[in-house]
Amino acid sequence: EEQLVESGGDLIQPGGSLRLSCAASGFTIRSHWMHWVRQAPGKGLVWVSRINGDGSSTNYADSVKGRFTISRDNAKNTLYLQMNSLRAEDTAVYYCARLSVTTFRFYSYYHGMDVWGQGTTVTVSS
Amino acid sequence: EIVLTQSPGTLSLSPGEGATLSCRASQTVSSNYLAWYQQKPGQAPRLLIYGASSRATGIPDRFSGSGSGTDFTLTISRLEPEDFAVYYCQQYGSSPETFGQGTKVEIK
Repeated sequence: EEQLVESGGDLIQPGGSLRLSCAASGFTIRSHWMHWVRQAPGKGLVWVSRINGDGSSTNYADSVKGRFTISRDNAKNTLYLQMNSLRAEDTAVYYCARLSVTTFRFYSYYHGMDVWGQGTTVTVSS
Repeated sequence: EIVLTQSPGTLSLSPGEGATLSCRASQTVSSNYLAWYQQKPGQAPRLLIYGASSRATGIPDRFSGSGSGTDFTLTISRLEPEDFAVYYCQQYGSSPETFGQGTKVEIK
């Protein structure tokens, strides 16, 4: 079974740092763009960041740029999100997700985020 | 950044009725890379539709997606009790991969 399991969420004071992990099983993350998506309490889904298969390309939402860093360890089949200078508005459930892909004749076709973790909760409060 | 606007915000329907959810993009969605997700309380989102109109693995055929460019629709032909949830559209054709604000389908 293809699965993602997040960990690392915690109660943290404003200005603090936290590192989230997302361990994959049943598939190899090397072949996929991987994403972080968050959801504040009672609110909608918000895309946070993405990283390509070999880690050479990353993108961030403006709200986290310069504070969060996405990375991956393909040998450990694990995705990370380093979160620094945390603010109250970063309080949310953080999900990791896989962007599904098929490749045909050197062209990649993308099929939405088909595997999600169960989420890990980050609470930023004094 | 592409802004996705979903309507209506809430849809109150009875089981067996049909539902039509709309998602409008502020710019053309590249390659029609538009997905729909279902989310129930306390659960992670579940992929329903990708590429605007293709059903994900295991999704019942009462769910269908249509549209292209900037206007997209999710249709649920006959609501089952398990379909009452929040639905989000997302474009993944360009970064940032934005989500709509969601449509809640509730029992009337």
